[in-house]
Order: sequence, then structure tokens, then C-alpha cells
Amino acid sequence: KQEVTQIPAALSVPEGENLVLNCSFTDSAIYNLQWFRQDPGKGLTSLLLIQSSQREQTSGRLNASLDKSSGRSTLYIAASQPGDSATYLCATREVGYSTLTFGKGTMLLVSP
Amino acid sequence: GAVVSQHPSRVICKSGTSVKIECRSLDFQATTMFWYRQFPKQSLMLMATSNEGSKATYEQGVEKDKFLINHASLTLSTLTVTSAHPEDSSFYICSASPGAAKTEAFFGQGTRLTVV
Repeated sequence: KQEVTQIPAALSVPEGENLVLNCSFTDSAIYNLQWFRQDPGKGLTSLLLIQSSQREQTSGRLNASLDKSSGRSTLYIAASQPGDSATYLCATREVGYSTLTFGKGTMLLVSP
Repeated sequence: GAVVSQHPSRVICKSGTSVKIECRSLDFQATTMFWYRQFPKQSLMLMATSNEGSKATYEQGVEKDKFLINHASLTLSTLTVTSAHPEDSSFYICSASPGAAKTEAFFGQGTRLTVV
């Protein structure tokens, strides 16, 4: 059974810093990995989707990488802003399954 | 990206009553939708997989008679919490994907259920 771990559980940084969020998973037989953002009391917003054959995806200040063989993904946020404050979740979709397996998330606080 | 709409966003109900939550895919058809539950400061827990035109598949430990799921069309799935009790108070979120397993998953806004 897939296990997804996110480190750190919480992160507090000053505005302008570049930062990296980590996600690791135990079963490398995945279709894809997806990063989400969740604001308090809200649903999930999809940030980036990386297919198993891809190494990275970029959207604006966000860059996500995937190393399937080692079971790791990172989300890089450049020039962080207070509006980036949220919980970031990663999830994998395993081969043969239609559901997602989520990590517990990293709670990010960017202070002005 | 695709849009999944969930309604209502908040509901307060009395203990013993039933509450229905709707999940709609607005710009795509979804043969499968998923219902999750999220406890405070916890990640999402998959409750069930909703299949259009057939019975839902429930995860272990989820009472199917308590959480009734209906997926009557390709754009609408409903979750009914029957005979709600305070311990059912939680955040419920649905998701769907506009395609097969390799496509992106989109989530609704979530429903905060409070049972008093």
C-alpha cells in the first residue's frame, strides 16, 4: 500500500525567500504525482501534475520535479509571497488504481 | 483547468436529520467521482468512489448506509449523510477527473458539516 510522506510538516519563511517542499512515496509504480494547495476551510487547488514519464513541470514561480526511481518529488517556490501561505499537499495515483494517495501536507507561512 | 462545484459550502443540521451534498463537474463528464473526508489538521481520507449508473465502492470502515452516494448522471454525484450525529461533523470534499487515470484530478470547494 502506497505511503506518501511530506517534510517538513510546517515551514515559516520571510517574504522573498526561495523554498523547497519535499514529498516521498514508497511505491514507484505510479501514473502521476500531483501537487495541490489548500487554503483554510477551502477545497484543493491543483498546482502541478507530473506524469510518470516526466522529470519536472513548471508554472509561474512553481517548479515541481519527480524522481520516480527514488520515490521523491519536490515543489520549489521562487520568491515567496504572503499570498503563498497555505497547506501544500502532494498525491500519487498508482498504476491500477483510480484514486489518489495523499501526504499529510506542509503548512507554509510566508511573513511580510 | 476543469471545474468541480460542490454545494453547499457550509451546512448546520440537527442531530438525527439527513444532509445532502452535491458535487457537479461543470465543464466535463465524469463517470467516476470521489468523496473524501478531512479532519482538522489532517490529510484527506478517501470515503468512497462514486460510479455513474452503478453502486458506489466504499473504503473499509465507511458505513454505506450512513453515507449514501448516488451518481445518477455524468455530471452529478450526491453524498447524503443519514441520521447525522455530532461525530459526523467534518469537512467533506469531492473530486473528479475529465478522463482516464492519468489525467489531472480537480476538487470541489468542500462542505463544512456541523451537526448540533
